[in-house]
Amino acid sequence: AQSVAQPEDQVNVAEGNPLTVKCTYSVSGNPYLFWYVQYPNRGLQFLLKYITGDNLVKGSYGFEAEFNKSQTSFHLKKPSALVSDSALYFCAVSYPSGGSYIPTFGRGTSLIVHP
Amino acid sequence: DAGVIQSPRHEVTEMGQEVTLRCKPISGHDYLFWYRQTMMRGLELLIYFNNNVPIDDSGMPEDRFSAKMPNASFSTLKIQPSEPRDSAVYFCASSLWGGAGNTIYFGEGSWLTVV
Repeated sequence: AQSVAQPEDQVNVAEGNPLTVKCTYSVSGNPYLFWYVQYPNRGLQFLLKYITGDNLVKGSYGFEAEFNKSQTSFHLKKPSALVSDSALYFCAVSYPSGGSYIPTFGRGTSLIVHP
Repeated sequence: DAGVIQSPRHEVTEMGQEVTLRCKPISGHDYLFWYRQTMMRGLELLIYFNNNVPIDDSGMPEDRFSAKMPNASFSTLKIQPSEPRDSAVYFCASSLWGGAGNTIYFGEGSWLTVV
């Protein structure tokens, strides 16, 4: 079985400061990891994904995420936060088990960037 | 591409009425998903289709919920009869099979309120 945890319901950061949104996962093999963002009153949008290769993945809007196998984590980061980054962020994990590749989503973390 | 298109965007209905939500996936995509999002339960996968065939409907909460995909470009999620606890945002999403790393594309959602 696969699962993903986002330990923080909300993250607050000042504009211009670095931000981190945490994600940990649990799968029995090599995971495929994703970050999605949901702006108010909108659907989820794909940000980035890790399949294989370089542990540091770069995505849209200046976001990046680091895959850490030993810590089973895939934290989302950005060097300098913008007010417009305020949104709900979802981590997801997918694993080829029994032919099913349907990703499991975390509960989401609300990022609030203060001016 | 226009993306995943959902209708209606907003619906307010009275308890006991039938509700039909509609979805047009991205052309060429072979997977279609229906999700429900609430504050209490987060993002839940209700059902998904592959090549118009329902694969897993274990997330459908009750027999009041049904979903169909008569062709590759159209799907419906029906609730009959509706209840206030069905109030939620319902997302349709689609993807093109690319292994476990395939990205899911979400629609803007149908915001359902049952009074």
